[in-house]
Amino acid sequence: SQKIEQNSEALNIQEGKTATLTCNYTNYSPAYLQWYRQDPGRGPVFLLLIRENEKEKRKERLKVTFDTTLKQSLFHITASQPADSATYLCALAGGYQKVTFGTGTKLQVIP
Amino acid sequence: DADVTQTPRNRITKTGKRIMLECSQTKGHDRMYWYRQDPGLGLRLIYYSFDVKDINKGEISDGYSVSRQAQAKFSLSLESAIPNQTALYFCATSDSRGTGETQYFGPGTRLLVL
Repeated sequence: SQKIEQNSEALNIQEGKTATLTCNYTNYSPAYLQWYRQDPGRGPVFLLLIRENEKEKRKERLKVTFDTTLKQSLFHITASQPADSATYLCALAGGYQKVTFGTGTKLQVIP
Repeated sequence: DADVTQTPRNRITKTGKRIMLECSQTKGHDRMYWYRQDPGLGLRLIYYSFDVKDINKGEISDGYSVSRQAQAKFSLSLESAIPNQTALYFCATSDSRGTGETQYFGPGTRLLVL
């Protein structure tokens, strides 16, 4: 069955450093991979989308890589700030199929 | 996202009661979804609808039903609520004309079944 794995342990980093979150998947050939941010008690908010034929995507301080051979995506936040503290979800979509979400990784940026 | 609204935002009910959660959107999207979120289990899809006449079961549809009353409205019903349906429920939309099924979520409904 399809499986998406994100590190369930919280990631604590110092303000100003680069945070790197990992998303691994198995039994899936996604056409798209997405990253969302979720704050406590609120709905996820879309951040970035990367297609299967793209290696890297950037948006301001955010960078996403997508390696379909390794079946892995890395999500980077450079120059992290306490306001970046949240849970980050990766999600996979294949063509016109529904989206499947990972369980998320909680990021805590320490001032 | 103010374009996707959910009512009620919080609800406490008793076992066996029927309850309806409502979702409305002004984004003009054709696709709508209901998810539940539980600690450690992430977002799980309950039902989804790709247009007004289309209803599909997700991975955890047992004990739930839905109605797509219009393109902008998608309601979720618990016919006879049970305590393990206590969770945070999210409605989401996407646009089939868009890219990659990007999902736009409502603020959520926190449901407690006693």
